[in-house]
Amino acid sequence: VQMVESGGGVVQPGRSLRLSCVASGFTFNFFTMHWVRQAPGKGLDWVALISYDGSDKYYADSAKGRFTISRDNSKNTVYLQINSLRPDDTAVYYCARASTNLPSSASLDFWGQGSRVTVSS
Amino acid sequence: QSVLTQPPSASGTPGQRVSISCSGSSSNIETNTVNWYQQLPGTAPKLLIYANNQRPSGVPDRFSGSKSGTSASLAISGLRSEDEADYYCSSWDDGLKGGVFGGGTKLTVL
Repeated sequence: VQMVESGGGVVQPGRSLRLSCVASGFTFNFFTMHWVRQAPGKGLDWVALISYDGSDKYYADSAKGRFTISRDNSKNTVYLQINSLRPDDTAVYYCARASTNLPSSASLDFWGQGSRVTVSS
Repeated sequence: QSVLTQPPSASGTPGQRVSISCSGSSSNIETNTVNWYQQLPGTAPKLLIYANNQRPSGVPDRFSGSKSGTSASLAISGLRSEDEADYYCSSWDDGLKGGVFGGGTKLTVL
């Protein structure tokens, strides 16, 4: 099982960014996927999840309105679109696989290495 | 501040047993399962305990988890230097309809 994130970098405030996470080693369209971020020197912050077929999406309050999670099962890829970037979006963004499709009992059993996003002018 | 509350730090000497607490509420820990993650410096988090007290394959039995009411706990026995890491508890919150993490506990092996 492997997840590889990409799309991060240095971005000016107010711009948009799309992160990608390509998964391999498992049947991608069977699994719910999550995004979790970690600001420099801070703890883990759950961002969003998307169900195995894309029909259900949940967002942290901090992500509602500016973040969009999506997936393309034909490409084994999950995305995170972030609009109107702010300095406090600066973080490493991890994608992770959920162990079950029931959020209340799921754990994040495999994680990518993360993609660093820095929002700065 | 985080929805789940953890002590910011913990410490112990090699061979000791340490415990890390995680306090939540009726909308998260009391009704949903608790997971624990270990994050070594400069690396991605790794699942350590799932479903309150289950260990994934490859996690030593020195690590154990428990849950009672609105609180959970991670115990590490036979402490080793390689256990020095940040530890996070996590659960699902029915009110927020989202995942929640504790603020993390930095474990130092003296």
